[in-house]
Amino acid sequence: EAGVAQSPRYKIIEKRQSVAFWCNPISGHATLYWYQQILGQGPKLLIQFQNNGVVDDSQLPKDRFSAERLKGVDSTLKIQPAKLEDSAVYLCASSLRQGARNTIYFGEGSWLTVV
Amino acid sequence: QQQVKQSPQSLIVQKGGISIINCAYENTAFDYFPWYQQFPGKGPALLIAINPDVSEKKEGRFTISFNKSAKQFSLHIMDSQPGDSATYFCAAGGIRSSSGSARQLTFGSGTQLTVLP
Repeated sequence: EAGVAQSPRYKIIEKRQSVAFWCNPISGHATLYWYQQILGQGPKLLIQFQNNGVVDDSQLPKDRFSAERLKGVDSTLKIQPAKLEDSAVYLCASSLRQGARNTIYFGEGSWLTVV
Repeated sequence: QQQVKQSPQSLIVQKGGISIINCAYENTAFDYFPWYQQFPGKGPALLIAINPDVSEKKEGRFTISFNKSAKQFSLHIMDSQPGDSATYFCAAGGIRSSSGSARQLTFGSGTQLTVLP
């Protein structure tokens, strides 16, 4: 079974530029998550989708971050304009459904460096 | 209220030794406690999980001990091996008050485990 696919794996941009990350979850997984993992810290949830609807984006900095999940499958996360503190690994994850004790499967992440 | 506190930040163990990582939570609404293992350059992967109905769960060399009254849980790795060297994250699952009805995981800050050969 294919895992969660993410691209690009690495990106270096200058501050104030924009960047977009793409995620393809495991086939059939209804719930999709975007996490931000800053070096030395645990993953922090940015946004959670159930099919193509947002169920929680309370920790998404909406002045610069946006995300969408078209047709309930692939998702993109965009940052515009980027700040130095956005340097992190952006992890996409998916689970079969949003319920109690569903295993969340993570992709390998997209590493962002803002200079 | 929503934090999960993890310690130690780093741990060095000799091969064959026991590795112990501790976590504490505050939100009594959490009802699922997984541990994730992350190797460099990879995403976290589920290692073992427990729900608050039981006080211990063992899978091979990995054991979770859970103390509901103290709101603490820990991961024990018996007979630690160099291949266990990774970063370990505890997490707590449930509904965060700010998320409405969405069930989510809140992660600890991670423990970098090094097992010396």
